[in-house]
Amino acid sequence: DIVMTQSPDSLAVSLGERASINCRSSQSVLYHSNNKNYLAWYQQKPGQPPKLLIYWASTRESGVPDRFSGSGSGTDFTLTISSLQAEDVAVYYCQQYYTTPYTFGQGTKLEIK
Amino acid sequence: QVQLQESGPRLVKPSQTLSLTCIVSGGSITSGLYYWSWIRQPAGKGLEWIGRIYSTGSTNYNPSVKSRVTISIDTSKNQFSLKLTSVTAADTALYYCARADGFDSSGYLPGAADYWGQGTLVTVSS
Repeated sequence: DIVMTQSPDSLAVSLGERASINCRSSQSVLYHSNNKNYLAWYQQKPGQPPKLLIYWASTRESGVPDRFSGSGSGTDFTLTISSLQAEDVAVYYCQQYYTTPYTFGQGTKLEIK
Repeated sequence: QVQLQESGPRLVKPSQTLSLTCIVSGGSITSGLYYWSWIRQPAGKGLEWIGRIYSTGSTNYNPSVKSRVTISIDTSKNQFSLKLTSVTAADTALYYCARADGFDSSGYLPGAADYWGQGTLVTVSS
């Protein structure tokens, strides 16, 4: 299985400041034939299912604010929130869908400082 | 707007079989473009992908549960189901069903899960 490791486990950021969450995969999730990274980011708020934010490592899902961005390739990825809003408090997960079993990172809890 | 809704018993006894159904509305489960998945989350913990099914009935399972799991599809009812046998307390979790891209005009192209059910909590206890 591909192991996904996120850092940090928790993060406290002031409102309006930048928040960055890292995700590393134990093997590359870049498929060279189409140059796509099979990596997604989800946001989960208490009592809710995960919500897809980013897919193909850097493509924002429809309706997701542009303060959310994804970057990286191969084995190292980052989710960045450019200006933290109160409603961004949540747990964030990365997931690889390069090969089954699809696997998730352990989650990063984002709070307001 | 696609919607998914899980249903099934909330309490299952140890060693018995957990059975859940996901009813899909707002779209056809036989569209040919998607995989239909089950994902679970123990209380306060992370997400575990259980497996997926395509409209043809083709499945992929997580090796962690492969010997105990069956995912099936009922195209006449636009729903798919999860069965997990010989459950233990470790199977207590919030169970989600979800839709993920599987194909585009060029062929196989798996994707992230874009629609999720609200989840159903299943407790394994005597």
